Amino acid sequence: GAVVSQHPSWVICKSGTSVKIECRSLDFQATTMFWYRQFPKQSLMLMATSNEGSKATYEQGVEKDKFLINHASLTLSTLTVTSAHPEDSSFYICSARDLGAAQETQYFGPGTRLLVL
Amino acid sequence: QKEVEQNSGPLSVPEGAIASLNCTYSDRGSQSFFWYRQYSGKSPELIMFIYSNGDKEDGRFTAQLNKASQYVSLLIRDSQPSDSATYLCAVRHSSASKIIFGSGTRLSIRP
Repeated sequence: GAVVSQHPSWVICKSGTSVKIECRSLDFQATTMFWYRQFPKQSLMLMATSNEGSKATYEQGVEKDKFLINHASLTLSTLTVTSAHPEDSSFYICSARDLGAAQETQYFGPGTRLLVL
Repeated sequence: QKEVEQNSGPLSVPEGAIASLNCTYSDRGSQSFFWYRQYSGKSPELIMFIYSNGDKEDGRFTAQLNKASQYVSLLIRDSQPSDSATYLCAVRHSSASKIIFGSGTRLSIRP
């Protein structure tokens, strides 16, 4: 299957700082990438849909000014958690659609674990 | 009513037996259906997708889709301890690009 990478895999930061997470599709082009968040023992929650060259679409209840998304190229999307607080500590996972595949499927990156102290 | 519903489990199955995982969805217009496996602390990995009514087999896995009943299932034959994980059912609406996930079923294969 297609490969999606994320960087960093884990990050610890102080409250009030900003954290940037990168998501890359390594062997395919992804016009659409998705950002999810997962708290312990809970399901994946879609935060936003990132479209290359346009503004991201945020799900209800997700603050667009706090979670900045930039999808500057067909292989890279970034999520910046601004002024992070302890309640933002979570597992952030990106996903990308392989539109070049015979059947459109969505592949996940390995995730980024964020701990805000 | 949740858009995609799964029994949270845990579902305990003896090694070598068939594990049956079920999922129902609410939007009749849904076109694409996916099963993902998620190990603890890891991100989901795609197991199978299905678009048409009936069965689709891939190795030990069989996905079953019944659009009339709005029901999707995943069968795992010859269950192995390494199959122990949370299985996520996901549905893509016909008119939107995002995938909606169920809350997952935790499967435990006992030796």
